[in-house]
Amino acid sequence: GAGVSQSPSNKVTEKGKDVELRCDPISGHTALYWYRQSLGQGLEFLIYFQGNSAPDKSGLPSDRFSAERTGGSVSTLTIQRTQQEDSAVYLCASSRTWTDYNEQFFGPGTRLTVL
Amino acid sequence: AQSVSQHNHHVILSEAASLELGCNYSYGGTVNLFWYVQYPGQHLQLLLKYFSGDPLVKGIKGFEAEFIKSKFSFNLRKPSVQWSDTAEYFCAVSNTGGFKTIFGAGTRLFVKA
Repeated sequence: GAGVSQSPSNKVTEKGKDVELRCDPISGHTALYWYRQSLGQGLEFLIYFQGNSAPDKSGLPSDRFSAERTGGSVSTLTIQRTQQEDSAVYLCASSRTWTDYNEQFFGPGTRLTVL
Repeated sequence: AQSVSQHNHHVILSEAASLELGCNYSYGGTVNLFWYVQYPGQHLQLLLKYFSGDPLVKGIKGFEAEFIKSKFSFNLRKPSVQWSDTAEYFCAVSNTGGFKTIFGAGTRLFVKA
């Protein structure tokens, strides 16, 4: 796989349901990021993982949001008890190491719609 | 608080016009600066980046940006735009050696053929 992949590409759910969004980073990339892109709001930083270090969760908007990264590769972003304001495009990105000056490679995103 | 401000949300230009998109940031310490671009139907991709050295950096497709430290600015420029430059442009900043990256709200550029 040449790039970052995300699944599903689209997700429609009902308010109150839990959703899981998946990200497969570029092989060998040690850093992985999640962002939320709402209409007219730009990219909102959510969380990043770097190697085995504790993730920086400072951007998660509430305790309904959580993320994990298993084996230093695939990551899952979970949103519990979804709300309509969670509707957005969720973007994942990865980068090699901090010495690579943090150029991020983005996936296509998951468009989440909460009805 | 860390922030990135992009001055224009929407810009409409005719082909061959010159482009300048403003970006100002508020971020402590030394910074890395980026412009990313998202063409219609495509992923976000890096346009150019500044880390150190010459404050005038050149990127792909004839774009350049100038880092003015005293003004906390990193404006994007192109002397002559093309219809294919129609896209959304995002300015971003992180601390040198850091990972957390703050993005601006984006500027949608539409170039009329």
